[in-house]
Amino acid sequence: DIQMTQSPSSLSASVGDTVTITCRASQSISKYLSWYQQKPGIGPRLLIYGASSLESGVPARFSGSESGTDFTLTISSLQPEDFATYYCLQTYRKPRTFGGGTKVESK
Amino acid sequence: QVQLVQSGADVKKPGASVKVSCKASGYSFVTFGINWVRQAPGQGLEWLGLINPYNGHTEYSQTLQGRVTMTTDTSTSTAYMDLRNLRSDDTAVYYCAREVMKSGWLSMDSWGQGTLVTVSS
Repeated sequence: DIQMTQSPSSLSASVGDTVTITCRASQSISKYLSWYQQKPGIGPRLLIYGASSLESGVPARFSGSESGTDFTLTISSLQPEDFATYYCLQTYRKPRTFGGGTKVESK
Repeated sequence: QVQLVQSGADVKKPGASVKVSCKASGYSFVTFGINWVRQAPGQGLEWLGLINPYNGHTEYSQTLQGRVTMTTDTSTSTAYMDLRNLRSDDTAVYYCAREVMKSGWLSMDSWGQGTLVTVSS
């Protein structure tokens, strides 16, 4: 199975900060990497697919990048509604595997 | 708009079975796969399996060790997940999620609201 190692597991930030979250795949997954935002009590929301493509309706402050097996989600100018937990997901192979999640909390 | 609406919360005893439904609307149901994902209390997301509504082909997580069956009813655009021989560690919120290909890349773009399954004696 492909392991997705996500870091950090949590971080504290303030409104206006730039936040970076990383996922590392245990093997090559091309760009079959997507990012999701989850708020308490509701299902995840797709933010980024294909490592760097912004899902329709998602604010442009969210961006994704890829370098080999390392993937990064960047939130520029963090907004109050961005405090949530973020997950990466690889869809290169089955079983699909998620990163462990990153909780973004208010400093 | 695309919607996935799941069945309500359920409480089961250990050893029992549970069947969770996921009714799709707003798109051609047979065109996209349906994943099932669960989230134990305070934990991360765990993939359970995927079903292709067009031909019924399924792929399951090895961790469920033959206790799960995923099916679809194309006449009602509904996907089902049946989990047998429930254990306390199956207590979780279960989600269905549509798998789509966008610009050549797969992702899960629409999710159900989740179904809490509690396993308790």
